[in-house]
Amino acid sequence: EPEVTQTPSHQVTQMGQEVILRCVPISNHLYFYWYRQILGQKVEFLVSFYNNEISEKSEIFDDQFSVERPDGSNFTLKIRSTKLEDSAMYFCASSEEGLQDPRSYEQYFGPGTRLTVT
Amino acid sequence: AQKVTQAQTEISVVEKEDVTLDCVYETRDTTYYLFWYKQPPSGELVFLIRRNSFDEQNEISGRYSWNFQKSTSSFNFTITASQVVDSAVYFCALRGSGGSYIPTFGRGTSLIVHP
Repeated sequence: EPEVTQTPSHQVTQMGQEVILRCVPISNHLYFYWYRQILGQKVEFLVSFYNNEISEKSEIFDDQFSVERPDGSNFTLKIRSTKLEDSAMYFCASSEEGLQDPRSYEQYFGPGTRLTVT
Repeated sequence: AQKVTQAQTEISVVEKEDVTLDCVYETRDTTYYLFWYKQPPSGELVFLIRRNSFDEQNEISGRYSWNFQKSTSSFNFTITASQVVDSAVYFCALRGSGGSYIPTFGRGTSLIVHP
C-alpha cells in the first residue's frame, strides 16, 4: 500500500540553525501539506501546496518557514533559523485530486519528523 | 470560524468495554467534511473515516462505528469491545467548504485500554 514517507525521523538542531525536513508524498497525489504537533497538543496546520505553489498557510507559517517541491517526488519544509518553540513533531500529508471538492479527500499522513531545538 | 471540541481529554477502560469518543463541531459552512484520525503511541496519524455533511448515514466498520448528528453538530466515535491495541489518541477534524482549506483539529482524546 502506498504511503507517505518522511526523513529524518528525528532531527536535533541548535537554536538559530537551518533545518530541512523531507517528505515523499504518495505518487499520484497532488495536494501536499505540512502540520506540526507540539508534544501532547493538537495537530496544527502549517501550509498547503498545490500546483507548485502555496495554496494556503496559517499564521504559524511565517517568513522563517518555506516549502519546496524540488523534483517530482520530494516535498520539503525549511525552517531558516530555528527557535526553541519550533520543537515539535512535523507531519507531512498528501491527498489526491479528483472531481470532488479537494477538501473532501482524506489526507494521508507520514510518520512524522520529531524536531528538537536545543 | 471553525471549532472542534473533544471534551474528553482521557478515557480509561478495561478491555472488552465499549467506549464512545465525543466530537462536537462548529462551522458556518453548509457543506463541510469531518474526519477521525488515530495516533497510536508510535506517533503516526492514521486516517479512520471521512463524513460529508450532506451524508448523515451512520457508518460501521468492524468494531468501529460513527454517529453523525447534524442537529447537534456531533460526530461521535464508538469502539465496541475495546482492545489494548485501540489505545491511542484519537483526533476529530473538520474542513469547511468556504474559501479556506485549513482543517481544524480537536485537541484529541487519549484512550487507554487496560487488559
